[in-house]
Amino acid sequence: DADVTQTPRNRITKTGKRIMLECSQTKGHDRMYWYRQDPGLGLRLIYYSFDVKDINKGEISDGYSVSRQAQAKFSLSLESAIPNQTALYFCATSDNRGDYNEQFFGPGTRLTVL
Amino acid sequence: EDKVVQSPLSLVVHEGDTVTLNCSYEVTNFRSLLWYKQEKKAPTFLFMLTSSGIEKKSGRLSSILDKKELSSILNITATQTGDSAIYLCAVGTNFGNEKLTFGTGTRLTIIP
Repeated sequence: DADVTQTPRNRITKTGKRIMLECSQTKGHDRMYWYRQDPGLGLRLIYYSFDVKDINKGEISDGYSVSRQAQAKFSLSLESAIPNQTALYFCATSDNRGDYNEQFFGPGTRLTVL
Repeated sequence: EDKVVQSPLSLVVHEGDTVTLNCSYEVTNFRSLLWYKQEKKAPTFLFMLTSSGIEKKSGRLSSILDKKELSSILNITATQTGDSAIYLCAVGTNFGNEKLTFGTGTRLTIIP
């Protein structure tokens, strides 16, 4: 089984709809992240969470919200989707025990907003 | 604003060739530089370079950090078709690498 899973893997929705992307992990990591990837722009951080009670905005949080329901679950919501939120979305996790911790990525969710 | 720039944007070579991918950065409070390989979807971790570990090697892949030049290279020798991917460079700028700034990636294509 994959350590970091995302659902759905693909989603097509319409402008104005609310949508939730979910992420679960079995790695036992405290830290979780949401990124979006656009062609030519690389990966950009939307939100990150150090633990269930600690949530922080990334560089592009406008139009998004998150919920950390448990150590293993971190969901991303688009309250009212717009076409420029069409992108590939990644969830990632990392440990917090060392000075340097690599991030492990889920398989991604391809979101299309029409 | 932290910035990570990768070059070239894309590269096409023949199987067996050696390639060098570049990553340069302008960030405050550099802590580490990471390389990821992205094939179909999820980026997978390759290397992490820090002030205490400026060279890493794994099989045909190797990477060096040049803190003076604020850059890193990723070398792949004897390339294979399975090396075709997007290679991402990211820089960690705070303790524990909670925040990574990514470059846009280099798309590498290996022709049989």
